[in-house]
Amino acid sequence: DAGVIQSPRHEVTEMGQEVTLRCKPISGHNSLFWYRQTMMRGLELLIYFNNNVPIDDSGMPEDRFSAKMPNASFSTLKIQPSEPRDSAVYFCASINTGMPAQPQHFGDGTRLSIL
Amino acid sequence: QKEVEQNSGPLSVPEGAIASLNCTYSDRGSQSFFWYRQYSGKSPELIMSIYSNGDKEDGRFTAQLNKASQYVSLLIRDSQPSDSATYLCAVRRGSARQLTFGSGTQLTVLP
Repeated sequence: DAGVIQSPRHEVTEMGQEVTLRCKPISGHNSLFWYRQTMMRGLELLIYFNNNVPIDDSGMPEDRFSAKMPNASFSTLKIQPSEPRDSAVYFCASINTGMPAQPQHFGDGTRLSIL
Repeated sequence: QKEVEQNSGPLSVPEGAIASLNCTYSDRGSQSFFWYRQYSGKSPELIMSIYSNGDKEDGRFTAQLNKASQYVSLLIRDSQPSDSATYLCAVRRGSARQLTFGSGTQLTVLP
């Protein structure tokens, strides 16, 4: 099992640029979650998908953030335009909701720095 | 009041001692409880899950749940320096898919 795969692992870019983070969930998992982790706010849920459909995006901080899941094996989180306060580690996680006791499996994260 | 609260620490214990980590939650509809360990610069990894009142043991780890008092704890026996990490408490409501995480407790085990 390859696990949840995120790319890139690190991203450094200048304020105002568009940033796209990518996630491939574990094969067979039907729910996908995007989290942001900072020292100040901890691990926050941004949005989650079930069967490729966005279910709860109440954690998305503002309109600059958008997320898509065009198919069961790929999701993107986009920030446009990026700001320094978006600097954080962004994690993707997935589960198979057909297995009720399953925990979420996390990817290795993308460490984003906006200059 | 935060939905899931943990003492941020840092918590320091000597090697071989018992480390006790605590978590309280506000939503009485919470049904599933998880402890994740996160090493610096790494992603969270699940170490324990508990769903019913009482204790659940797995090796050196014991999770304790008290739904009436709305707390869940993690005990680490015979603590090792390799246990030094941040421990995240996570709670899931009923049949919901999403987790709510506490801010984490940083544990340092001193050799």
